[in-house]
Amino acid sequence: DAKTTQPPSMDCAEGRAANLPCNHSTISGNEYVYWYRQIHSQGPQYIIHGLKNNETNEMASLIITEDRKSSTLILPHATLRDTAVYYCIVRAPGDNFGNEKLTFGTGTRLTIIP
Amino acid sequence: NAGVTQTPKFRVLKTGQSMTLLCAQDMNHEYMYWYRQDPGMGLRLIHYSVGEGTTAKGEVPDGYNVSRLKKQNFLLGLESAAPSQTSVYFCASSPRGGANVLTFGAGSRLTVL
Repeated sequence: DAKTTQPPSMDCAEGRAANLPCNHSTISGNEYVYWYRQIHSQGPQYIIHGLKNNETNEMASLIITEDRKSSTLILPHATLRDTAVYYCIVRAPGDNFGNEKLTFGTGTRLTIIP
Repeated sequence: NAGVTQTPKFRVLKTGQSMTLLCAQDMNHEYMYWYRQDPGMGLRLIHYSVGEGTTAKGEVPDGYNVSRLKKQNFLLGLESAAPSQTSVYFCASSPRGGANVLTFGAGSRLTVL
């Protein structure tokens, strides 16, 4: 799986949009970008994923650059409950296990400021 | 739906003791995974399974064994616990094919003295 790079921490004011960047310059053509978050010590929670087109769901939007080497997760109106560690992962979907490690990096610790 | 359930939630062991962590999912998922999470290390894959009766090594498999005798259960065993295995363990499952989104359990906190 391609490696991702995320800033270790970010702050965002409550009610503002939180934009979390992720670099994945070695991403392969069949690899998707996935975002998960982990609130305090709970199990990680899936947020969104995409291949090349921008995606939006009830939780967030995902913007992927045209060259697919980076992406941004957008939480449109951040609340205090969005304070969490956010993980960006790239991997191929389906049955393509091969030698993949499915490792979550250290992510970005997002703090929402009241 | 309970989703992914891990048992026990907390456990304290002495060095050399053995124990088993149980992961159960009720979503009929083919794939199951065991991760460990240590401070500053993110989540690292220990073992995973792509179906009943199959298991495979992840990134950090040493000192652990797993079994998937039933599709809904994935057991993680520590035969001789070491202090280095003090960690929070997360189980996850995902369906075969498709987007392969992982659903995680709430975690099991293990302390080895």
